[in-house]
Amino acid sequence: SQQGEEDPQALSIQEGENATMNCSYKTSINNLQWYRQNSGRGLVHLILIRSNEREKHSGRLRVTLDTSKKSSSLLITASRAADTASYFCATDIQGGSEKLVFGKGTKLTVNP
Amino acid sequence: GAGVSQTPSNKVTEKGKYVELRCDPISGHTALYWYRQSLGQGPEFLIYFQGTGAADDSGLPNDRFFAVRPEGSVSTLKIQRTERGDSAVYLCASSFIREDTQYFGPGTRLTVL
Repeated sequence: SQQGEEDPQALSIQEGENATMNCSYKTSINNLQWYRQNSGRGLVHLILIRSNEREKHSGRLRVTLDTSKKSSSLLITASRAADTASYFCATDIQGGSEKLVFGKGTKLTVNP
Repeated sequence: GAGVSQTPSNKVTEKGKYVELRCDPISGHTALYWYRQSLGQGPEFLIYFQGTGAADDSGLPNDRFFAVRPEGSVSTLKIQRTERGDSAVYLCASSFIREDTQYFGPGTRLTVL
């Protein structure tokens, strides 16, 4: 079974709008990572947030983590057509090996 | 510097054949991971190496799957008696220290006819 679950499964917005994707997980974690994937191939790492952190920023990306609710969100501000991709959250489970457990992803489409 | 590389990028084989997939991690990364991704799904963990040894192989689906990393760098994922259900993109990732960011390669798309 998958640990993480992204919501929504698909999101379509206009260029310039903000996009918010959510991730929920089931067990305690060491860290949570967000990845982007274009065309079903290699994953590009976006942000890693550790369990003792609540918010991180990187350029137009903002990630929050609420360990009490076991949830995270990824906000992309001022979206561009080039942001069109699938976005995955992945958790490093506490007490487990260093493997990542991925959700099914959110497919984001940014229309020009 | 170079990222994680994987060869071949695409592999088409017939049911019952043996295949090998190669992963070259980022230089100096001690941890190496294999994942498998089916269409419309997120990647699923297969095996994790710390140095030369398999620290966690709990994700390997059955004994047809085997992976090695003899010198603690390059890794090979081996699949015997391939089945159509093995068709997927096989992803490799590496990281420098425990709990650090995992960097992924471009993947090998395996198609079993």
